[in-house]
Amino acid sequence: KNQVEQSPQSLIILEGKNCTLQCNYTVSPFSNLRWYKQDTGRGPVSLTIMTFSENTKSNGRYTATLDADTKQSSLHITASQLSDSASYICVVTKYNFNKFYFGSGTKLNVKP
Amino acid sequence: GAVVSQHPSRVICKSGTSVKIECRSLDFQATTMFWYRQFPKKSLMLMATSNEGSKATYEQGVEKDKFLINHASLTLSTLTVTSAHPEDSSFYICSARDRIASTYEQYFGPGTRLTVT
Repeated sequence: KNQVEQSPQSLIILEGKNCTLQCNYTVSPFSNLRWYKQDTGRGPVSLTIMTFSENTKSNGRYTATLDADTKQSSLHITASQLSDSASYICVVTKYNFNKFYFGSGTKLNVKP
Repeated sequence: GAVVSQHPSRVICKSGTSVKIECRSLDFQATTMFWYRQFPKKSLMLMATSNEGSKATYEQGVEKDKFLINHASLTLSTLTVTSAHPEDSSFYICSARDRIASTYEQYFGPGTRLTVT
């Protein structure tokens, strides 16, 4: 069964701290994995996209890693800011299929 | 980056009426658009895949006569919620896939908040 599991479900951190969000998947065959940021009441915005051969990709303070062997990905946020408060969604695409598998998201709350 | 718009952003309607939501790709052509529904504190749930010039493909459990989808052009898809009921109240999000892009990138709209009273 093609699934995407994210952890933790929610997370509270203090402004300026770092955090790491996890994504495990069983989607096969694998094409790519994306991390999205979704602010409350808004549509998701792409942060990173990684294909099978990529291990890490950065976008500003966001760094995503991918281990295609263990089917795990992480999103590391450095020096968090209040504006990082949002839901972070991991989405895996199946190879050659027009289908996306969504994780349930991690709700991040950055407090001053 | 690619921009997808949705209209309206918020709509309140009475039970039994129909509501149309538009999804437009503003700076690219989209042969495929997707419609999602999102419940509070939950992730997106794919409702249907909309292909330009052909009938939409609905996910299991989604009533096609309830949620009418029309993908009339390469930049516009519409979702009509027919005979809306309070349980249809939700956040509806569309996404569009760039026809030319080599990756399977999809760009999301800002969402439409539907409230049925």
